[in-house]
Amino acid sequence: DAMVIQNPRYQVTQFGKPVTLSCSQTLNHNVMYWYQQKSSQAPKLLFHYYDKDFNNEADTPDNFQSRRPNTSFCFLDIRSPGLGDAAMYLCATSRDRGKRNEQFFGPGTRLTVL
Amino acid sequence: AQSVTQLGSHVSVSEGALVLLRCNYSSSVPPYLFWYVQYPNQGLQLLLKYTSAATLVKGINGFEAEFKKSETSFHLTKPSAHMSDAAEYFCAVGAETGTASKLTFGTGTRLQVTL
Repeated sequence: DAMVIQNPRYQVTQFGKPVTLSCSQTLNHNVMYWYQQKSSQAPKLLFHYYDKDFNNEADTPDNFQSRRPNTSFCFLDIRSPGLGDAAMYLCATSRDRGKRNEQFFGPGTRLTVL
Repeated sequence: AQSVTQLGSHVSVSEGALVLLRCNYSSSVPPYLFWYVQYPNQGLQLLLKYTSAATLVKGINGFEAEFKKSETSFHLTKPSAHMSDAAEYFCAVGAETGTASKLTFGTGTRLQVTL
């Protein structure tokens, strides 16, 4: 089945220690998104890629970076995690950029910062 | 700017009872609307979407939603709740930005199903 895969499902890191979360997709979708979701809140978009074109949200902290080396993979790098970065991180894809295109979500990576 | 409002952060129903989760939207252009469900420690799964083809939209797991332009609403219903329906439900409105199909989510409604 075509899907969005996130690894690992649970990640524990130390305060200030860089961490990378990964996402892969077998849907061959053009757009990939990264969301941060804190407890009992809606997902908050951090950035997205349209093909190789990176698009950052205005309020995404500089601490968060992303890479998309090819169509299938996308990475979220947190350079110096703080306690406030503990959250669920969701990767999503959409076939294209039109507003009728629904997003397909991965299962998420829950990040704990000690 | 587009937005959605979900009335009721928590809804509790008995198993077998009607489920009604409310969503109102604000949009200056014809909206594309979505309902997603999130089970604990999982990603979001699309339940159904409205893309202007039909006002009554049927989704997975027995859910449906009706688009009412006059009321700017897109409420989610299910005739008979099941224990497995307990989850968080998000209404969202889609927007095209030139490079993405962006979603603006509501704050979510947690559905509890009791025996």
